[in-house]
Amino acid sequence: EPEVTQTPSHQVTQMGQEVILRCVPISNHLYFYWYRQILGQKVEFLVSFYNNEISEKSEIFDDQFSVERPDGSNFTLKIRSTKLEDSAMYFCASSRDRVYEQYFGPGTRLTVT
Amino acid sequence: QKEVEQDPGPLSVPEGAIVSLNCTYSNSAFQYFMWYRQYSRKGPELLMYTYSSGNKEDGRFTAQVDKSSKYISLFIRDSQPSDSATYLCAMIKAAGNKLTFGGGTRVLVKP
Repeated sequence: EPEVTQTPSHQVTQMGQEVILRCVPISNHLYFYWYRQILGQKVEFLVSFYNNEISEKSEIFDDQFSVERPDGSNFTLKIRSTKLEDSAMYFCASSRDRVYEQYFGPGTRLTVT
Repeated sequence: QKEVEQDPGPLSVPEGAIVSLNCTYSNSAFQYFMWYRQYSRKGPELLMYTYSSGNKEDGRFTAQVDKSSKYISLFIRDSQPSDSATYLCAMIKAAGNKLTFGGGTRVLVKP
């Protein structure tokens, strides 16, 4: 069964450094998303991406964040200058044509020190 | 008022019992309702989705939506220890594509 994959599984970085989180969505999916979950808190929407552009973003997704689909298979989230409060689990998700049927990857745990 | 509320639990039941989970929400614009299962330190796994009001059954799982009360439920019949996880409700508006999640209910099924 096809699934969303994410790398790395755990990333440790120092405050102020740039990080890139990588995702490979399910191959015939058209919509891509990033969510995050701070330990003990709700899963929160960050951004959705369709047809090579951002279709929706939350207020969390400020100028420090960017997304890219550099080729036909990868989808990345870049945080330009990490802050302590960016420490969280970041989940990539994808859906084919029904946005209510989103499939999540296993997540990347980001620890900012 | 929070957009989506969910009792955090934990909800502890003996194996074989029915697990009853629910969420309330405040925004009447939500049209699609989903239930996800999340094991510790893993990604959410889509269990079921329903559109508008009504019931939907899939194996041991039954989802109910009551839009008039802004209340959704998930029932798990014949619960197993492997059902022990956190269950998240999520919702989406008709014209939107972002999921809004509840905080999750932790379920423990004891053998």
